[in-house]
Amino acid sequence: EDQVTQSPEALRLQEGESSSLNCSYTVSGLRGLFWYRQDPGKGPEFLFTLYSAGEEKEKERLKATLTKKESFLHITAPKPEDSATYLCAVPNQAGTALIFGKGTTLSVSS
Amino acid sequence: DAGVIQSPRHEVTEMGQEVTLRCKPISGHNSLFWYRQTMMRGLELLIYFNNNVPIDDSGMPEDRFSAKMPNASFSTLKIQPSEPRDSAVYFCASSEGQGTLDEQYFGPGTRLTVT
Repeated sequence: EDQVTQSPEALRLQEGESSSLNCSYTVSGLRGLFWYRQDPGKGPEFLFTLYSAGEEKEKERLKATLTKKESFLHITAPKPEDSATYLCAVPNQAGTALIFGKGTTLSVSS
Repeated sequence: DAGVIQSPRHEVTEMGQEVTLRCKPISGHNSLFWYRQTMMRGLELLIYFNNNVPIDDSGMPEDRFSAKMPNASFSTLKIQPSEPRDSAVYFCASSEGQGTLDEQYFGPGTRLTVT
């Protein structure tokens, strides 16, 4: 069964305290892994797509990496405005649905 | 572009009533997705349309749920009759291409409460 698991469920950081979020997946023939950010009361907002093991992408304080079994979202020197829920997702085998993890809720305090 | 537009933003209804959620995708996008988000189950795909045709409706919970896309700029998700367990946030998303390999743009969601 295609599955996406994210950890931790919640993460509290001090401003400037770097950390990583994990997304592990089980799907045959990975065709891409997506990271989204969701703010309270809003829809998810696209961040990155990774296609192959070893690929990395960066956006401001965020860097996403991909291996054959998992992806990491590294947050360097976070700021309070980085507080949000971060979701990862992979397409199912048929390519007709995105399977989302339950997300990691990040809180950054100043 | 205004992004994906959903209405209403909030809906409170009584069990047994019919509920209709509406979505206007981004102009020019060929794919449209309806999702449901709950604390217990997270974000789940209900149905996926490509070029107004339903491609994957395996996520539709049961016959009480139905979705239509009469044209490229409008889709509805209907629940009849509604039940308390249908309470959730329903999102519509659209993307340019076919399938799920393109970036999806989500609307602000409709928060449905069934009492």
